[in-house]
Amino acid sequence: GAGVSQSPSNKVTEKGKDVELRCDPISGHTALYWYRQRLGQGLEFLIYFQGNSAPDKSGLPSDRFSAERTGESVSTLTIQRTQQEDSAVYLCASSFLAHEQFFGPGTRLTVL
Amino acid sequence: AQSVTQLDSHVSVSEGTPVLLRCNYSSSYSPSLFWYVQHPNKGLQLLLKYTSAATLVKGINGFEAEFKKSETSFHLTKPSAHMSDAAEYFCVVRGPGGSYIPTFGRGTSLIVHP
Repeated sequence: GAGVSQSPSNKVTEKGKDVELRCDPISGHTALYWYRQRLGQGLEFLIYFQGNSAPDKSGLPSDRFSAERTGESVSTLTIQRTQQEDSAVYLCASSFLAHEQFFGPGTRLTVL
Repeated sequence: AQSVTQLDSHVSVSEGTPVLLRCNYSSSYSPSLFWYVQHPNKGLQLLLKYTSAATLVKGINGFEAEFKKSETSFHLTKPSAHMSDAAEYFCVVRGPGGSYIPTFGRGTSLIVHP
């Protein structure tokens, strides 16, 4: 079956604009994760969805960041009033329960 | 609580020589452990995983890792490096149960010289 997909692959925006990043997980995967990866850095956890449980938002860096997930389907990460420090690759991953994660190719966000 | 430490930020080897990427973990429970590889401008790909079965785990592309509970280590090895192995490698620890969020190491950059 298809892997995790993310869109857009690249996004260039102006400081202060809002952006929406989309993640389509593998069908049947109960868990979905968002990470941020700044240039040359490791992965920074943002948010975690598991089934119908309340999401773990402990990694969101500010209230400008939010995410939603519809059931066990698509997720959207929204960044409001973007800042230059938000420039990074945003990675999405999904897994079945606590099994290994499968990652999407990422969205490269550039804030001018 | 859980944590993972990748002991080297960069490892440089010559093509055809062995590879050793070191990872130590800390976990209150019997963890699951993973190694992922990230090639430039690509997403992460699972190399191998340990989930309390055999302590020596074989993965893709000739990589393997050994879980050593007494040393709390999960080092990644390969007998002979290829140029195509040049990438970033991440060690990951996860506690039991579906409610635990994986913890990623900072990554080790593997450089392979011809």
